[in-house]
Amino acid sequence: NAGVTQTPKFQVLKTGQSMTLQCAQDMNHNSMYWYRQDPGMGLRLIYYSASEGTTDKGEVPNGYNVSRLNKREFSLRLESAAPSQTSVYFCASRDMNRDRGYEQYFGPGTRLTVT
Amino acid sequence: AQRVTQPEKLLSVFKGAPVELKCNYSYSGSPELFWYVQYSRQRLQLLLRHISRESIKGFTADLNKGETSFHLKKPFAQEEDSAMYYCALSGLPNSGGYQKVTFGTGTKLQVIP
Repeated sequence: NAGVTQTPKFQVLKTGQSMTLQCAQDMNHNSMYWYRQDPGMGLRLIYYSASEGTTDKGEVPNGYNVSRLNKREFSLRLESAAPSQTSVYFCASRDMNRDRGYEQYFGPGTRLTVT
Repeated sequence: AQRVTQPEKLLSVFKGAPVELKCNYSYSGSPELFWYVQYSRQRLQLLLRHISRESIKGFTADLNKGETSFHLKKPFAQEEDSAMYYCALSGLPNSGGYQKVTFGTGTKLQVIP
């Protein structure tokens, strides 16, 4: 049981390049999330997906797109990277079982630098 | 709109001293509140949640709906408590905002030996 996995762990992009961050979970959770973590800003929600086939914008969606490929996978795409997108990106899935308290499980993060 | 405020970026305490990490929230419905912890170079993990009213690693938190607060407390700080702490909020299931989880800006707790 790997939990939430993310690839890659590190990435350096030039301004204007595109890339896709991959996330997968093996816990059969319906809900999945993408956050970015910046110093002094905490975690900010980019997009989330309540179930397979649905996605919704979070607080900071501009410059990003997402795909909920199936129940396991939720990818984040940067079409034209900008230096302002330099950040650590975390994927999470959420257990909506009341007995387990609606906990989110996080991946290890992807450290992205845009030059 | 839902919002979480953690007013302190850094909290430094001596080992053995009491700890209180502040969290205030804004939410129009009934909230679910959580504390997550991130140790150095590790992923975020759940510390505790208000729905279960549990104590984890000596930490407790009480939801005060009147003051819209969910402060995290521990009577005696230990060096291994040094970490980044995040307060998070969502709505209750079957409410409009239950899928969206909003985090505060985090408080770095530094326990001085």
